[in-house]
Amino acid sequence: AQTVTQSQPEMSVQEAETVTLSCTYDTSESNYYLFWYKQPPSRQMILVIRQEAYKQQNATENRFSVNFQKAAKSFSLKISDSQLGDTAMYFCAFMKPLDSYGGATNKLIFGTGTLLAVQP
Amino acid sequence: KAGVTQTPRYLIKTRGQQVTLSCSPISGHRSVSWYQQTPGQGLQFLFEYFSETQRNKGNFPGRFSGRQFSNSRSEMNVSTLELGDSALYLCASSLVGLATYEQYFGPGTRLTVT
Repeated sequence: AQTVTQSQPEMSVQEAETVTLSCTYDTSESNYYLFWYKQPPSRQMILVIRQEAYKQQNATENRFSVNFQKAAKSFSLKISDSQLGDTAMYFCAFMKPLDSYGGATNKLIFGTGTLLAVQP
Repeated sequence: KAGVTQTPRYLIKTRGQQVTLSCSPISGHRSVSWYQQTPGQGLQFLFEYFSETQRNKGNFPGRFSGRQFSNSRSEMNVSTLELGDSALYLCASSLVGLATYEQYFGPGTRLTVT
């Protein structure tokens, strides 16, 4: 079974600085997808960034980038130029595209989350 | 384009009752997944529906069930409610239901069981 671990329950960063959130996962699959989701106080879950395991290049979305280390099963999120609106719970999530029977699956496995507070 | 909508947003029920939650996906999306979020267990996958068929199911008791209609709207039902069912229930929709397509979440339904 796949597991996702986020070892930092809470983090704090000053506005305009850079912060890195850690995520490790365990899987025997070779083909899978990794995601970072953001859940602000409104509770609306928002996709931040996605990484396909078969791609060596790290994904980037504006101020958000990942450091994907497939061999180490590590998937960290870097937020540059932190803004007050980045304050939220961040979840790392894993998905394998096919289940054990070869059928398509849309099941996300989430980590426990990291609560990020951006200080003014 | 309207986002994923969930109704009701808040619900208070008594132990032993049953409840039905509704999710309307983004127009054109055919896959709807349901998740339960609690402080103790975190985010857990309940089930996924694609083209009116349950395609995947998480490790939840049979009291949790769902269905999807021809317009892709989905409902989940919890029978014989227990205190531990108190949670935020999130649904997510995606275009085709493949991992290559992003999942978009609704605002959730906050269920409180007393």
